[in-house]
Amino acid sequence: GAVVSQHPSRVICKSGTSVKIECRSLDFQATTMFWYRQFPKQSLMLMATSNEGSKATYEQGVEKDKFLINHASLTLSTLTVTSAHPEDSSFYICSAIPGFAEAFFGQGTRLTVV
Amino acid sequence: GENVEQHPSTLSVQEGDSAVIKCTYSDSASNYFPWYKQELGKGPQLIIDIRSNVGEKKDQRIAVTLNKTAKHFSLHITETQPEDSAVYFCAASGNSGNTPLVFGKGTRLSVIA
Repeated sequence: GAVVSQHPSRVICKSGTSVKIECRSLDFQATTMFWYRQFPKQSLMLMATSNEGSKATYEQGVEKDKFLINHASLTLSTLTVTSAHPEDSSFYICSAIPGFAEAFFGQGTRLTVV
Repeated sequence: GENVEQHPSTLSVQEGDSAVIKCTYSDSASNYFPWYKQELGKGPQLIIDIRSNVGEKKDQRIAVTLNKTAKHFSLHITETQPEDSAVYFCAASGNSGNTPLVFGKGTRLSVIA
């Protein structure tokens, strides 16, 4: 079946630094990928839609200058958390949908900002 | 936009009993309804899905029902086992490669041995 790989699975960074998270579709091309954030014991909240070759579409309330999304190829989208603060600590999950099939999710990235 | 409500938020059942989780959605244009199981520290895993052209789908111990008129769908797990313990999320979307899923708030299922 389709596989979405996310890296890293865990990252700890200092306040003020930037962190890049990668999301790859391993066996299919994805013109669109989605980035979600999940706080402890809460649901997945859509942050943005990543579009290959064009600007990402951000959900209301998500700072596009803070969460930079780049979708430079049909198999890779990256989320960069810039100038990270402790409140950015969360579980970040990417998703891609191969055609009209079901959505596949990455393994998630646990970000801890200290 | 779409809004998905999920109940209950927590559910405890005895091993071997059945578990039912219910969701409602608001957008009549939604036509794809997947269910995900999420274990601690991991991404969601699809366990079953249903599209709007069918009313019920079953896969071994898991079944999903859909009532488009009432805009609700349910997950049924029979003969529950301790390894079924996890958080379950329902979701809805318009089922195209460009349409993101909208998730319910999740149900924490505990199966007591």
